[in-house]
Amino acid sequence: LAKTTQPISMDSYEGQEVNITCSHNNIATNDYITWYQQFPSQGPRFIIQGYKTKVTNEVASLFIPADRKSSTLSLPRVSLSDTAVYYCLVGPNNAGNMLTFGGGTRLMVKP
Amino acid sequence: NAGVTQTPKFRVLKTGQSMTLLCAQDMNHEYMYWYRQDPGMGLRLIHYSVGEGTTAKGEVPDGYNVSRLKKQNFLLGLESAAPSQTSVYFCASSLPGPRGSHEQYFGPGTRLTVT
Repeated sequence: LAKTTQPISMDSYEGQEVNITCSHNNIATNDYITWYQQFPSQGPRFIIQGYKTKVTNEVASLFIPADRKSSTLSLPRVSLSDTAVYYCLVGPNNAGNMLTFGGGTRLMVKP
Repeated sequence: NAGVTQTPKFRVLKTGQSMTLLCAQDMNHEYMYWYRQDPGMGLRLIHYSVGEGTTAKGEVPDGYNVSRLKKQNFLLGLESAAPSQTSVYFCASSLPGPRGSHEQYFGPGTRLTVT
């Protein structure tokens, strides 16, 4: 499984755009990139998944450069309720795939 | 839909005691998973199942057993609890197929303390 590296923590202010970058230098050809969000005392929640270029949904955008060695989760106009831990995961979409959750990035949104 | 539910929400055990955690999902998902999360850490996969009657080991399976007798239920057992098993346990489920295993739906967690 590809190892991922992301910042331990980030601070932002309400209304700002937040970009969290994840490095995955040894990503394999059949690996996908997935991001989860976890609030305190809750289970993680799927945010977005991509393979290459750009993916956008109602919550976030995911930017993946051509070499796929990194990815950036973009949260537009964050609010206090976006304060959470964000996990970047990389792995193949196989049956019973084991997802590896690293330490994640602790995002603190301030008023 | 209730989604993924876990029973109990909290439990305190003495060393050596046994217990079973129950996970139930009403989304007709094929895949189910058990994770543990220690304070300030990411989740680690204990066991998983790709269908009724099948189970497989994850990253940290020692000290745990699982069973998937019904598609909607996934049980996690601790035969002889140890303080090192103090953690928050999360159950998850997902659809099969190319995207399924990455888009997992998690339960609210069970906070277990072993003294």
